[in-house]
Amino acid sequence: NAGVTQTPKFQVLKTGQSMTLQCAQDMNHNSMYWYRQDPGMGLRLIYYSASEGTTDKGEVPNGYNVSRLNKREFSLRLESAAPSQTSVYFCASSEGTADVGYEQYFGPGTRLTVT
Amino acid sequence: LAKTTQPISMDSYEGQEVNITCSHNNIATNDYITWYQQFPSQGPRFIIQGYKTKVTNEVASLFIPADRKSSTLSLPRVSLSDTAVYYCLVGDFRMDSSYKLIFGSGTRLLVRP
Repeated sequence: NAGVTQTPKFQVLKTGQSMTLQCAQDMNHNSMYWYRQDPGMGLRLIYYSASEGTTDKGEVPNGYNVSRLNKREFSLRLESAAPSQTSVYFCASSEGTADVGYEQYFGPGTRLTVT
Repeated sequence: LAKTTQPISMDSYEGQEVNITCSHNNIATNDYITWYQQFPSQGPRFIIQGYKTKVTNEVASLFIPADRKSSTLSLPRVSLSDTAVYYCLVGDFRMDSSYKLIFGSGTRLLVRP
């Protein structure tokens, strides 16, 4: 039981390049989330998926797209990376949506640098 | 846009009780309040959650007043390993009926020997 896994762990991109961050969970959770955390700051929600087949914007969605590939997998895509997207990205999952009390389980994070 | 407000940092000593308060004035009727702990280079980890009054588990207590506009995380007898950043999380209903999850800015707790 690995919980929430993220790939890659580290990535360096040049401005304008694209990439996809992968996230998978093996807990049969319905809801999944993508957050970013800038140095010394709290977490900000980028997108979430309340259940398979649905996605919705969070607090900071601009510059990102997501795909809920199936119940296990939720990917985050940067179409044209910008230095402002340098951050640590965390994926999380929960049995139900977190706003009504379901505990989120977080992955180890992906550290992304855009030069 | 409703946000949560927490103290930026707190200092304590081993063995003391630590209380961290989070303000969430615009909490919605159905929202729960959840607290997370984060160590450097790791994802946050769930500590406790509640809706009203008091909740206690093996590591912490959560106090929520009747108006639910704030909550207080209580860590009894802290140890050096409790040095971390603590976040409170509530939902946030917006005028367009969508909801967003809002983490607070976090409180850096430093426990000294």
